Amino acid sequence: GENVEQHPSTLSVQEGDSAVIKCTYSDSASNYFPWYKQELGKGPQLIIDIRSNVGEKKDQRIAVTLNKTAKHFSLHITETQPEDSAVYFCAEGDGGATNKLIFGTGTLLAVQP
Amino acid sequence: EAQVTQNPRYLITVTGKKLTVTCSQNMNHEYMSWYRQDPGLGLRQIYYSMNVEVTDKGDVPEGYKVSRKEKRNFPLILESPSPNQTSLYFCASGASGDTQYFGPGTRLTVL
Repeated sequence: GENVEQHPSTLSVQEGDSAVIKCTYSDSASNYFPWYKQELGKGPQLIIDIRSNVGEKKDQRIAVTLNKTAKHFSLHITETQPEDSAVYFCAEGDGGATNKLIFGTGTLLAVQP
Repeated sequence: EAQVTQNPRYLITVTGKKLTVTCSQNMNHEYMSWYRQDPGLGLRQIYYSMNVEVTDKGDVPEGYKVSRKEKRNFPLILESPSPNQTSLYFCASGASGDTQYFGPGTRLTVL
């Protein structure tokens, strides 16, 4: 069945360092891959997404890469800041046919000042 | 302001007492969905709706009901809550193309 594996489950970095979170999916039909950030006491917020016709997408300090052959995608945060501390979720979707998203189990990122 | 709202934000109830969690969006989205979030399990979909009067089961629908009589509202109904439904619940909405916007969450405790 559909499944998304996300690693690591926790990640601690020093302020200014980079952070990388990786996800692997199983459904070859998936073609939409969003990343959500969830701060304490709030709902998940979309921070970046990528579709299968693109290998990499960047938005300021955040970038996402996609390897469709290997069925994995990654979130890269550069020059981390304390306000980046949150839980990050990856997800996979079918590109609009049903809007269904399958989520990873989340990564708790702690940026130490 | 474009947003998804949920009420109540916190609820403590007892086993068997029917409850409804409301969800409303002001973005004219056709798609709405309910998720539950549990430690170590991420977000799991309970029910979703592609449009008014169109609802379907997600991955964990047992013990829940939904309705979609209007485009903006998508209430989640627990007819007879049980302790294993203690969880953090999120409503989400989206237009076509998969981007989903989440509400602030409802923390439910069933004693």
